[in-house]
Amino acid sequence: DADVTQTPRNRITKTGKRIMLECSQTKGHDRMYWYRQDPGLGLQLIYYSFDVKDINKGEISDGYSVSRQAQAKFSLSLESAIPNQTALYFCATSQTNNEQFFGPGTRLTVL
Amino acid sequence: AQSVAQPEDQVNVAEGNPLTVKCTYSVSGNPYLFWYVQYPNRGLQFLLKYITGDNLVKGSYGFEAEFNKSQTSFHLKKPSALVSDSALYFCAVRPMNTGFQKLVFGTGTRLLVSP
Repeated sequence: DADVTQTPRNRITKTGKRIMLECSQTKGHDRMYWYRQDPGLGLQLIYYSFDVKDINKGEISDGYSVSRQAQAKFSLSLESAIPNQTALYFCATSQTNNEQFFGPGTRLTVL
Repeated sequence: AQSVAQPEDQVNVAEGNPLTVKCTYSVSGNPYLFWYVQYPNRGLQFLLKYITGDNLVKGSYGFEAEFNKSQTSFHLKKPSALVSDSALYFCAVRPMNTGFQKLVFGTGTRLLVSP
């Protein structure tokens, strides 16, 4: 969905490096999410945010942190990347509990 | 805890034939149910949802899904498949409770439509 953008689209990094993935949205939604997709596992929720001051851990938050800089921006950081964090990362937005709208994803490879 | 099962890793169908992608779910109480499609190198796109009302839900690109409460299923269907429908399809469920409830996704079914 072009209303949800993610940067970078691809990133290769080394073990131990700090990485930030960025997400921006123009949909005006209050809720934003970060997911991780691994082959054969579907999507797993890392963090979610209801507004700038309301950030919550998802099911796999260890090794990740987030920042909600504004209603429209939600960043995901890997403080010290490790190889098993190699995955496809998606940002999503929603208004209340309705359907979520996803960004194009960031393919992260940790060597 | 809620869960979603998509029993088929891949579904193969010839163009012009009807297609079905299966989904069963487990949730406490009544469900919100969703189907998403993922094309290569793209994010998930919302196809359709069931919240309440008519058990047959119509969505984007000619897709529809039928909610069956007794069988706890929400199968995705299309009367006539197109080659361009080839993609990865995800079913997702969330309980219809107040407050935030995590959306739980199935593992995905790859649909391959042959010419």
